[in-house]
Amino acid sequence: QITLNESGPTMVKGTQTLTLSCTFSGFSLSTSGVGVGWIRQPPGKALEWLALIYWNDGKLYRPSLESRLTITKDTSKNQVVLTMTNMGPVDTATYYCARRVRHGDFDYWGRGTLVTVSS
Amino acid sequence: NFVLTQPHSVSGSPGKTITISCSRSSGNIASNFVHWYQQRPGQSPTTVIYEDFRRPSGVPDRFSASIDSSANSASLTISGLKTEDEADYYCQSHDTNIVVFGGGTKLTVL
Repeated sequence: QITLNESGPTMVKGTQTLTLSCTFSGFSLSTSGVGVGWIRQPPGKALEWLALIYWNDGKLYRPSLESRLTITKDTSKNQVVLTMTNMGPVDTATYYCARRVRHGDFDYWGRGTLVTVSS
Repeated sequence: NFVLTQPHSVSGSPGKTITISCSRSSGNIASNFVHWYQQRPGQSPTTVIYEDFRRPSGVPDRFSASIDSSANSASLTISGLKTEDEADYYCQSHDTNIVVFGGGTKLTVL
């Protein structure tokens, strides 16, 4: 059974750095083709892809946010960490992590964690 | 970079058929897989179509999808609408170094 679980602060202040963890089970990030991504969704708005990391440590970032994002993995801990610097109120959103295999869909998602940014 | 454009909302009556479009702004829609997600209120998205037209196990065959290269768009069709189909639907595709979600379509089953 594959599960993913996001964790991190529920509230951050403006200009602070957000650090979110995605702890997963049921698959390995050392398996060829496997990746874990972060997607966020502001309240009442659309899904927005943020970042993706693959088994081979290949990383992709949303171009408009690339300067603020860092994604890393710890294969031994089955964990992926996303950091986002200089948080602002517009970054208030539910942050999801999800598994992706090569160019497939995001086939397993976490429940998401709501992060609220105060000014 | 490219954008995937979806209608903001569609509606249909129980038993009817609706189609949601997903238009790609640049680049060939057929060059990269298109996936479709359903998101019910308060829940995480789940895949209803992957790799252009494939249905995950457990998704009823009322859900189907296609690619129209001439229109550079993808479409999700839901037939025999049920009240449980009321949700937001998102298309998603990618290019070399980017993943893109459409803006989402709210389906109302009247």
